[in-house]
Amino acid sequence: LAKTTQPISMDSYEGQEVNITCSHNNIATNDYITWYQQFPSQGPRFIIQGYKTKVTNEVASLFIPADRKSSTLSLPRVSLSDTAVYYCLVGPQWGYSTLTFGKGTMLLVSP
Amino acid sequence: DAGVTQSPTHLIKTRGQQVTLRCSPISGHKSVSWYQQVLGQGPQFIFQYYEKEERGRGNFPDRFSARQFPNYSSELNVNALLLGDSALYLCASSLGSGQGEETQYFGPGTRLLVL
Repeated sequence: LAKTTQPISMDSYEGQEVNITCSHNNIATNDYITWYQQFPSQGPRFIIQGYKTKVTNEVASLFIPADRKSSTLSLPRVSLSDTAVYYCLVGPQWGYSTLTFGKGTMLLVSP
Repeated sequence: DAGVTQSPTHLIKTRGQQVTLRCSPISGHKSVSWYQQVLGQGPQFIFQYYEKEERGRGNFPDRFSARQFPNYSSELNVNALLLGDSALYLCASSLGSGQGEETQYFGPGTRLLVL
């Protein structure tokens, strides 16, 4: 499974756009990029998944450059409730797979 | 629709005891995975089950075991508890067919404290 690298922590203020970048230099051809959000003492929550270019849903956008060696999770106009740990994972979407989590990025949103 | 459910929510045990954690997957999901998350770390994979068969196992000792029932619910058992087993135990479910989307959806977890 491809290893991912992301910042340990990030700070932001309410109303700002937050971009969290994840590096995955060894991503395989059939790997997808998935982001989860986790609040303290809760299970991770699926945010978004993509393979290439741009994916957008009601919560976030995911930007993936052509070489797919990195990806950026974009959270528009964050609020205090977006304070959480964000995990970037890389692995096959199709077929059997287990998830390999790193330490994630701790996002702190301040008033 | 109900999401993944886990019971109990919290549990306190002493060293050497045994514990059983339970998980019910999302309706229609046939695969269940178990993860252990210690404080400050990301979840670590323990087991994955599909159609009552073990499909994957992480780097955990034999004290950890699991099973999946015909209704696709699952139990995780841990014997001879150690202080280091204190963690949040997470269950995740997915369709599991291997032919389509395998996004895993997590339950709220069971917080285990070993004294």
